[in-house]
Amino acid sequence: DSGVTQTPKHLITATGQRVTLRCSPRSGDLSVYWYQQSLDQGLQFLIQYYNGEERAKGNILERFSAQQFPDLHSELNLSSLELGDSALYFCASNKGTVQETQYFGPGTRLLVL
Amino acid sequence: AQTVTQSQPEMSVQEAETVTLSCTYDTSESDYYLFWYKQPPSRQMILVIRQEAYKQQNATENRFSVNFQKAAKSFSLKISDSQLGDAAMYFCAYNDRGSARQLTFGSGTQLTVLP
Repeated sequence: DSGVTQTPKHLITATGQRVTLRCSPRSGDLSVYWYQQSLDQGLQFLIQYYNGEERAKGNILERFSAQQFPDLHSELNLSSLELGDSALYFCASNKGTVQETQYFGPGTRLLVL
Repeated sequence: AQTVTQSQPEMSVQEAETVTLSCTYDTSESDYYLFWYKQPPSRQMILVIRQEAYKQQNATENRFSVNFQKAAKSFSLKISDSQLGDAAMYFCAYNDRGSARQLTFGSGTQLTVLP
């Protein structure tokens, strides 16, 4: 158990819908990273937050957004969902420095029908 | 942009034998970090081992060790005395001291352990 929690574990929804994925980092970690794992794109970085502020953006679609709250948990919002958004979404956390290993949560499996 | 390449999509090893998974990367940075993560059928991403580029000594964690060749930009993972529980997808990953802190992953190697 990495100490990073993600909810829900599974999510099934329809095209055009909006969903919210939640992540709670390890105790003491200030930084949260979101990654998407899909069959065709592999593991891709989406976005990073550090202590409530966006720090880095990767291949995140405009339909997707994220935020980190004062209690340091983070939410990833996916809207106008398409079939291709079906993937495993991981959250990882660390204290925010590059020297720190990122510890991954169990992921949320999203299936868009 | 940094890239990570794993040229072996699949590998297999006999139980108790040794296997080496390959990884190469491309970067213009001199200070960076390399990782091997394991993803078993549960899909959890589990850190196996990490290497700091400034350290010449290869990292070791029990049955797992790396062969880090900085000049060749090569970072292979050796698994000794393979066990059935080692069967998983293995990802090589990179990050550096740039403004972005994200991991860049390779495409993965699926390891099968044969009894």
